[in-house]
Amino acid sequence: GNSVTQMEGPVTLSEEAFLTINCTYTATGYPSLFWYVQYPGEGLQLLLKATKADDKGSNKGFEATYRKETTSFHLEKGSVQVSDSAVYFCALSPGYNFNKFYFGSGTKLNVKP
Amino acid sequence: EAGVAQSPRYKIIEKRQSVAFWCNPISGHATLYWYQQILGQGPKLLIQFQNNGVVDDSQLPKDRFSAERLKGVDSTLKIQPAKLEDSAVYLCASSQAPEGRGGREQYFGPGTRLTVT
Repeated sequence: GNSVTQMEGPVTLSEEAFLTINCTYTATGYPSLFWYVQYPGEGLQLLLKATKADDKGSNKGFEATYRKETTSFHLEKGSVQVSDSAVYFCALSPGYNFNKFYFGSGTKLNVKP
Repeated sequence: EAGVAQSPRYKIIEKRQSVAFWCNPISGHATLYWYQQILGQGPKLLIQFQNNGVVDDSQLPKDRFSAERLKGVDSTLKIQPAKLEDSAVYLCASSQAPEGRGGREQYFGPGTRLTVT
């Protein structure tokens, strides 16, 4: 079947620290992988995506590499800011089955000044 | 390009009352999703439309929830009668039709925060 597992939060970091949020997946076929971010009181926004193995998605200083051999898509950022405080969701879409999505449970990030 | 529009943004009702939410997806997006997000959890898919047909409603509580997408464009989600446990944010999302391998990204609206008292 298809599923996504994320590290539990909350993750609390000081400004300018290095961030890693782990995400592993189980999927059939060749899924696309996504990271979404949800700021307080808002809907989910696409942060980055990767559509095939070894692809690296990047946006706003965040990066994630699609690792088929370890079935992982870990989110990283070299230097976090207070404005990065949000909930981050890892997701996959197998593509077939009418573009259904499978979301992880989310990881809350708190960045302190 | 306009994003996914939802209304209302907030709604407070008493249990056993009914409520309806409206969503207008991004123009040209064939797939429309309704999610329920309870505080502190990830989105839970309630129903997924492809054009105006339902492709997945396996987690929709059909005794009280209903949804329609007339003409394959905007959509309404209704709850009747509401229960306390329906308090959540209801998110609408849309995406282009799947094409080839992998999936197409979803675009989310701001959500409707429902409080049932």
